[in-house]
Amino acid sequence: DTGVSQDPRHKITKRGQNVTFRCDPISEHNRLYWYRQTLGQGPEFLTYFQNEAQLEKSRLLSDRFSAERPKGSFSTLEIQRTEQGDSAMYLCASSLPGTQETQYFGPGTRLLVL
Amino acid sequence: AQKVTQAQTEISVVEKEDVTLDCVYETRDTTYYLFWYKQPPSGELVFLIRRNSFDEQNEISGRYSWNFQKSTSSFNFTITASQVVDSAVYFCALSESWDMRFGAGTRLTVKP
Repeated sequence: DTGVSQDPRHKITKRGQNVTFRCDPISEHNRLYWYRQTLGQGPEFLTYFQNEAQLEKSRLLSDRFSAERPKGSFSTLEIQRTEQGDSAMYLCASSLPGTQETQYFGPGTRLLVL
Repeated sequence: AQKVTQAQTEISVVEKEDVTLDCVYETRDTTYYLFWYKQPPSGELVFLIRRNSFDEQNEISGRYSWNFQKSTSSFNFTITASQVVDSAVYFCALSESWDMRFGAGTRLTVKP
């Protein structure tokens, strides 16, 4: 299967701990996006990359959130000093270059902060 | 500012019924794209359709059809002869550039 993959699929952590999620995009896609989805809502955009460049990060929810894509392939999303309000599904998507290309989503990482 | 409204929070139908999911959007741009995604209980968002603002032609794909009307800023999705496997949350989304804005979703339950 050559779709978008995410790891881990589930993460339970205690408040105050740091967590890191990984996303591997579809191989020929050079754009990669991170979204957060809370219960009963649609995905909410966080940030995106074109190759290794992070082109938009103003919508990261706070300075506790950061993302990287060091070699333009996989990406990581880190949340430092987690809070209970960070509990959500974190989704990754990828697309071909170009404006408004279709984004293909991974299965998501479900985070629970106790 | 872009906005997507899916007024129907939940819909329940019996198998083989037709069902229409409504989507209304707001945008100031003349060039934009509209999308529908399906999110089954497994959680993964599955792409269904992408439509650009200059193409108002309706589309049919098997039991699925989409009606795009710029005059009413709507992009509605109809499932004909619904099946239990259609049970999922369906999201409508709007993209003006790299940013995709989703509606809150409509949970469809198809009962046997």
